[in-house]
Amino acid sequence: KAGVTQTPRYLIKTRGQQVTLSCSPISGHRSVSWYQQTPGQGLQFLFEYFSETQRNKGNFPGRFSGRQFSNSRSEMNVSTLELGDSALYLCASSLTAGVWNTEAFFGQGTRLTVV
Amino acid sequence: GESVGLHLPTLSVQEGDNSIINCAYSNSASDYFIWYKQESGKGPQFIIDIRSNMDKRQGQRVTVLLNKTVKHLSLQIAATQPGDSAVYFCAEKAAGNKLTFGGGTRVLVKP
Repeated sequence: KAGVTQTPRYLIKTRGQQVTLSCSPISGHRSVSWYQQTPGQGLQFLFEYFSETQRNKGNFPGRFSGRQFSNSRSEMNVSTLELGDSALYLCASSLTAGVWNTEAFFGQGTRLTVV
Repeated sequence: GESVGLHLPTLSVQEGDNSIINCAYSNSASDYFIWYKQESGKGPQFIIDIRSNMDKRQGQRVTVLLNKTVKHLSLQIAATQPGDSAVYFCAEKAAGNKLTFGGGTRVLVKP
């Protein structure tokens, strides 16, 4: 079956612009989580969506937002981009939202560069 | 490939030897602890998990040990192969699907 698909793979934006990243989870999976990965901060949790509702949110400013559609596809948006937002953004797909559901499947990520 | 971490601790191991990767965690309330492997240009890949009420779990060529007294987790890889070269992350899971990741360890397998 198809894995997690993230688009686009690479993106270059200018400071002050906004960006939307997309994630299509594995078919049948209803939970989508987003992570930011940087060399300095490592992997940090952004937010989690399940059945179109945000269930968890990490410690990121309000410029970072997301949503989930009825088909479980998710988008995240970053407004007023800063140089420090340059990172690999990873999406993880899970079957359910229960704590016992430990296997999250990650996409290849979107590499965002802010110049 | 994409740089996962410029200053990660690195474990160099000879092909065929066993590898041990260590991780300290912080949240005593975590329900599960999970190991992920990330190869260059790819997202993290699930390796094995262990529930908080266990102290050892074995998979194919891998064993995870959990010591709750000192909040320590380790991943043992038996007979390390070149394909095991990657960055390894431990992660804690409590509520929902939020994962809190450790800093990562780079494993280099020497032929």
